[in-house]
Amino acid sequence: GAVVSQHPSWVICKSGTSVKIECRSLDFQATTMFWYRQFPKQSLMLMATSNEGSKATYEQGVEKDKFLINHASLTLSTLTVTSAHPEDSSFYICSARGGDRFYEQYFGPGTRLTVT
Amino acid sequence: KQEVTQIPAALSVPEGENLVLNCSFTDSAIYNLQWFRQDPGKGLTSLLLIQSSQREQTSGRLNASLDKSSGRSTLYIAASQPGDSATYLCAVLSAANQAGTALIFGKGTTLSVSS
Repeated sequence: GAVVSQHPSWVICKSGTSVKIECRSLDFQATTMFWYRQFPKQSLMLMATSNEGSKATYEQGVEKDKFLINHASLTLSTLTVTSAHPEDSSFYICSARGGDRFYEQYFGPGTRLTVT
Repeated sequence: KQEVTQIPAALSVPEGENLVLNCSFTDSAIYNLQWFRQDPGKGLTSLLLIQSSQREQTSGRLNASLDKSSGRSTLYIAASQPGDSATYLCAVLSAANQAGTALIFGKGTTLSVSS
């Protein structure tokens, strides 16, 4: 199956700083990428959908100025958490779709963010 | 708006038991339904994907069924093993704009299989 990578796998940052998470599709061109957030013992909640070269579409309640998403190429999307706060601590998972099997979403391994 | 519900939220069984996990969704206009496994602190592993035109899919000891009209799916695990302990997530893809929309997830069922 298609492979999606995320970097870093975990990160600790201080409150008020910004953190960038990268999501890459390694062996296919991802026309659409999705970012999810998962709090402990909760399910995955969709944050935003992005198409290459276009602005991301954010779900209701997700601050677009706080969670900056860039989908600059068909293999890379980035999520930047700006002015991070402890309540932003979560597990962030990206997902990508593209190629012939457009109906399948391929998931990255996730990034654990801890804000102190 | 699509909502996905999974019952039970948690399940504990002894090794060897057969079990069923349930998933229901409010909007039957789906393109496909997918079952995932998630180990603690880890990402998702896709188990089975059922297209809306299919009734079931099987992989090893796993069997997933889909009744689209009633908005239900079940994941059957035969002869459970301690290694099956994990959280199982059900997710659906809307039939409208399936290429551009995301999977919607249920909250999962956390399974614990004791030896």
